[in-house]
Amino acid sequence: EAGVVQSPRYKIIEKKQPVAFWCNPISGHNTLYWYLQNLGQGPELLIRYENEEAVDDSQLPKDRFSAERLKGVDSTLKIQPAELGDSAVYLCASSLGATREETQYFGPGTRLLVL
Amino acid sequence: GIQVEQSPPDLILQEGANSTLRCNFSDSVNNLQWFHQNPWGQLINLFYIPSGTKQNGRLSATTVATERYSLLYISSSQTTDSGVYFCAVRNSGGGADGLTFGKGTHLIIQP
Repeated sequence: EAGVVQSPRYKIIEKKQPVAFWCNPISGHNTLYWYLQNLGQGPELLIRYENEEAVDDSQLPKDRFSAERLKGVDSTLKIQPAELGDSAVYLCASSLGATREETQYFGPGTRLLVL
Repeated sequence: GIQVEQSPPDLILQEGANSTLRCNFSDSVNNLQWFHQNPWGQLINLFYIPSGTKQNGRLSATTVATERYSLLYISSSQTTDSGVYFCAVRNSGGGADGLTFGKGTHLIIQP
């Protein structure tokens, strides 16, 4: 069974440029999460989707970050414009359903460097 | 929100040694997972263990939910066990819908 797929794996951009990350969850997983991991820290939740609905985006900085999950499968996370402090690893995870007691599986992440 | 504390923060062992990693959390949980983040950054699921005891090969874990802690045991360590071990929980009383992670235990196994 294929795991969570993310692309690109690495991205280097200059500040003020836009950037987008893509995630394909495990087949059949209805719940999708985006996390942010800063160096030396554990991941922190940005947004959670149940199918195509964003049900928890309280931690997403909405002035520059946006996300979508069209058709309830793949998801895209965008930053516009990027700032130096956005340099981090962006992780996508998925789980089966909405009980929130189920195992979350993580993708390999996208390492973003903003210069 | 719920607080997660992991100890020790760093651990250096010789190959073949055993180790115990601890995770304390500040409130009741309905999800607790242990992950191993390898040097390439991939988070690998070890256990889903909101309560009870599980074993998988050289690894085992125990969560005592009533006392708000979980332990991860690694026996006969190998160099490939090196990396960061994270405990992550979800508060059953509400709050963020995702997992809240601790800061991790950085484990180095020397040959």
